[in-house]
Amino acid sequence: QQPVQSPQAVILREGEDAVINCSSSKALYSVHWYRQKHGEAPVFLMILLKGGEQKGHEKISASFNEKKQQSSLYLTASQLSYSGTYFCGTLSGDSNYQLIWGAGTKLIIKP
Amino acid sequence: DSGVTQTPKHLITATGQRVTLRCSPRSGDLSVYWYQQSLDQGLQFLIQYYNGEERAKGNILERFSAQQFPDLHSELNLSSLELGDSALYFCASSLQGTGANVLTFGAGSRLTVL
Repeated sequence: QQPVQSPQAVILREGEDAVINCSSSKALYSVHWYRQKHGEAPVFLMILLKGGEQKGHEKISASFNEKKQQSSLYLTASQLSYSGTYFCGTLSGDSNYQLIWGAGTKLIIKP
Repeated sequence: DSGVTQTPKHLITATGQRVTLRCSPRSGDLSVYWYQQSLDQGLQFLIQYYNGEERAKGNILERFSAQQFPDLHSELNLSSLELGDSALYFCASSLQGTGANVLTFGAGSRLTVL
């Protein structure tokens, strides 16, 4: 089942903070975050693994609550370059080793 | 440049036709994934290959087929095209075949069916 992302869209001023959430009804092995700019390919941001390990880059942080099967992506002091659609992908035992993607959260940063 | 090469970038064709999309994975990656993304929608997983063999199947229509060749490039064949097949088709590659790997996406092939 598709993870639920919230909010669907958010508009911020440059320098403001944003939190994007991803929730699943399944017991998850990992949560993956990607950002897609308009007309471009999705780009990897971060993987959060069961047990707390994180793999990623860029100045973006995230958390994974294993009890709630929920992940949050934290974008602090947002820059114009953060604009795009953020997708979470979840990996669980019954997903046949494939990521199940959320519908995306559109983030618009205004100067 | 992500290292994943997709051709063609744009393709316009008519209903009922057949097209082939090509993907060369990033050097060293053994696994190739195909995704379909309709306008302003999420990513729909179609199919995955690992080292030449089909690894997993998603929501791929029977009119669609794919394969991965010995040199690891992959082709997605779309036949009897319908208007609803118009979409952006992404190929992604990863080092291994499990979903826990980082996916590197190509720039996509935009298919327009008229």
